[in-house]
Amino acid sequence: GAVVSQHPSRVICKSGTSVKIECRSLDFQATTMFWYRQFPKKSLMLMATSNEGSKATYEQGVEKDKFLINHASLTLSTLTVTSAHPEDSSFYICSAPGTSEADTQYFGPGTRLTVL
Amino acid sequence: GQNIDQPTEMTATEGAIVQINCTYQTSGFNGLFWYQQHAGEAPTFLSYNVLDGLEEKGRFSSFLSRSKGYSYLLLKELQMKDSASYLCAVQDSNYQLIWGAGTKLIIKP
Repeated sequence: GAVVSQHPSRVICKSGTSVKIECRSLDFQATTMFWYRQFPKKSLMLMATSNEGSKATYEQGVEKDKFLINHASLTLSTLTVTSAHPEDSSFYICSAPGTSEADTQYFGPGTRLTVL
Repeated sequence: GQNIDQPTEMTATEGAIVQINCTYQTSGFNGLFWYQQHAGEAPTFLSYNVLDGLEEKGRFSSFLSRSKGYSYLLLKELQMKDSASYLCAVQDSNYQLIWGAGTKLIIKP
C-alpha cells in the first residue's frame, strides 16, 4: 500500500534555531499534503495544506512565517519551524491523500520535536 | 516489518452495533489510538489504550489485547453521523505512529 515517510523521526534543538521536517510519498505522487500537530491524547490539529507548485493554505491561527511550508515536488513537502521555542515542542504529522479514493489519507509516522 | 490491518469498509444499520477490528505487528508497543475522520476534515481523537482491557466512553468503546496484537472499536446505537473513516494507529518503541489504512464505515437508515 501507499507509504508516507517523515524525516527526521525525532529532533531536539535549542530555542531560536530552525528545524526542517520532510514528508515524502514513497510510491505515489501527491499534489497535496497535509501537516498536523498532535497534542497528547488529543485530536490532530490541521496546520496547513501543502500544494505542489503553489503556496500553502494555512489554517486560522497558524503563523505562516513561523511554519514555512514548501512543496517542491510531487513526492516531497517540507515544514520548517523557524526560530523554534519550547512551546513549539510537539509531534508533527503529515498525510497525503491516496489516488484511488478521494477520502483515503495516508499518514506519516510523525516527527517528535523537542525545543530546549 | 511493521503492519496494521483493519477492514477497508464496513456497512451497518442505524441504531445497531458495529465492531471494527485492528490487528498489529510492530517493533514495540507504546499505545494504540483510534481516530474518526470525516471526509475533508482532520482526524478526531476517540481513544487511547495502553493496557489490556476495555475502555468505555459513551457510545464508543475500545478494547486492547497486547498478547494478541489486537484491538477493536465498538460503536453502539449507531447514528448517521457516525459514517466516517476510522483509523487505528500504534505507537512503536520509538513512539513513531504506525497507521492502519482506515475503515470506511457506511451507516444505512
